[in-house]
Amino acid sequence: AQTVTQSQPEMSVQEAETVTLSCTYDTSESDYYLFWYKQPPSRQMILVIRQEAYKQQNATENRFSVNFQKAAKSFSLKISDSQLGDAAMYFCAYRANAGNMLTFGGGTRLMVKP
Amino acid sequence: DTGVSQNPRHKITKRGQNVTFRCDPISEHNRLYWYRQTLGQGPEFLTYFQNEAQLEKSRLLSDRFSAERPKGSFSTLEIQRTEQGDSAMYLCASSLTADIQYFGAGTRLSVL
Repeated sequence: AQTVTQSQPEMSVQEAETVTLSCTYDTSESDYYLFWYKQPPSRQMILVIRQEAYKQQNATENRFSVNFQKAAKSFSLKISDSQLGDAAMYFCAYRANAGNMLTFGGGTRLMVKP
Repeated sequence: DTGVSQNPRHKITKRGQNVTFRCDPISEHNRLYWYRQTLGQGPEFLTYFQNEAQLEKSRLLSDRFSAERPKGSFSTLEIQRTEQGDSAMYLCASSLTADIQYFGAGTRLSVL
């Protein structure tokens, strides 16, 4: 069974600074997708960024980028120029290419200090 | 797109009562998913529909839980004889393909 681990329950960053959230996963599959979702308080979860395992190039979406290390089964999220609106729970998730369900990590609460 | 809509947003019930939640997916999304999220944890998969067919069920979905998607549009999740351990946020998501799932704001269930 696949597992996703986020080892940082909470992280804090100063506004305009850069922060990296960690995620590791375990799978025997070779073809899969990885995601970072953001869940603001009392609001719906939204997709931040997505990575296809067969692509070596790291995904980037504006201030958000990932460091995907397939051999190490590591998928970290870097947020540059942090903004107050980035404060939320961040979840790392995995989906096998042939599967339908997302497997989530336990989440990291990101606080942004003004 | 109006997004995934879930109703009610919050449900308070007494132990032993039955509850039903509704999810309206993004229009034309033929795939629909239910997840459960307990406080401080990540969501856990419950079940998956493609059109009206329920194709996948988690072991978390005990026989007190039933989900339907009668016409391949909205879906309902019913919990019978609720227990305090059922207290959680129930999330619905939809997708057009197997790729990106779009989530609703969830229904928070509190069992007293």
